[in-house]
Amino acid sequence: DGGITQSPKYLFRKEGQNVTLSCEQNLNHDAMYWYRQDPGQGLRLIYYSQIVNDFQKGDIAEGYSVSREKKESFPLTVTSAQKNPTAFYLCASSVGQRLLNTEAFFGQGTRLTVV
Amino acid sequence: AQKVTQAQTEISVVEKEDVTLDCVYETRDTTYYLFWYKQPPSGELVFLIRRNSFDEQNEISGRYSWNFQKSTSSFNFTITASQVVDSAVYFCALIRHTGTASKLTFGTGTRLQVTL
Repeated sequence: DGGITQSPKYLFRKEGQNVTLSCEQNLNHDAMYWYRQDPGQGLRLIYYSQIVNDFQKGDIAEGYSVSREKKESFPLTVTSAQKNPTAFYLCASSVGQRLLNTEAFFGQGTRLTVV
Repeated sequence: AQKVTQAQTEISVVEKEDVTLDCVYETRDTTYYLFWYKQPPSGELVFLIRRNSFDEQNEISGRYSWNFQKSTSSFNFTITASQVVDSAVYFCALIRHTGTASKLTFGTGTRLQVTL
């Protein structure tokens, strides 16, 4: 079945450590996105990538980094510079470089907790 | 500026009641798309509907209906005869253009609780 897979579902990190969240899609989508969800704040865009080897900062990119070496994969690294990393992270993908004619498909999310 | 407002943070209804979730948006674009997504407890966002700015026809899909009114910049979502399985967080979203990219701007969501 086609879809987006995020792993792990739950992740615990000690303060000061970097951690990488995985996002893989087998939908042959060009565009991929990372969102952060906090209670009462909806979803906010961290990074997005319209094509392999290219990515752009979203609204809250500070303290995060990404790579897009393969079309299927868009991992997100939460660095120690991110001051408040505890949140629910959602990865999404869409068919083309513009979302106008298609909806975004979402993974099941990774809940990151800093301990 | 692009913005989506979902003023209702949480709504509780009894099963079989009708419920309307409000969505008000702001955009300077003349062409745009609006979306509704459902987020069940499992976490992933499930696409419900897409509506473009040139199509103001209301849409009905089973117990779900959507009312798009450009004059009031609203895209409200009604669930008729609600069921416990409708309990979820519902997000309204708007396409935002930035150069060659298009990004979804989400509202803060409305949590719907349907009880027996």
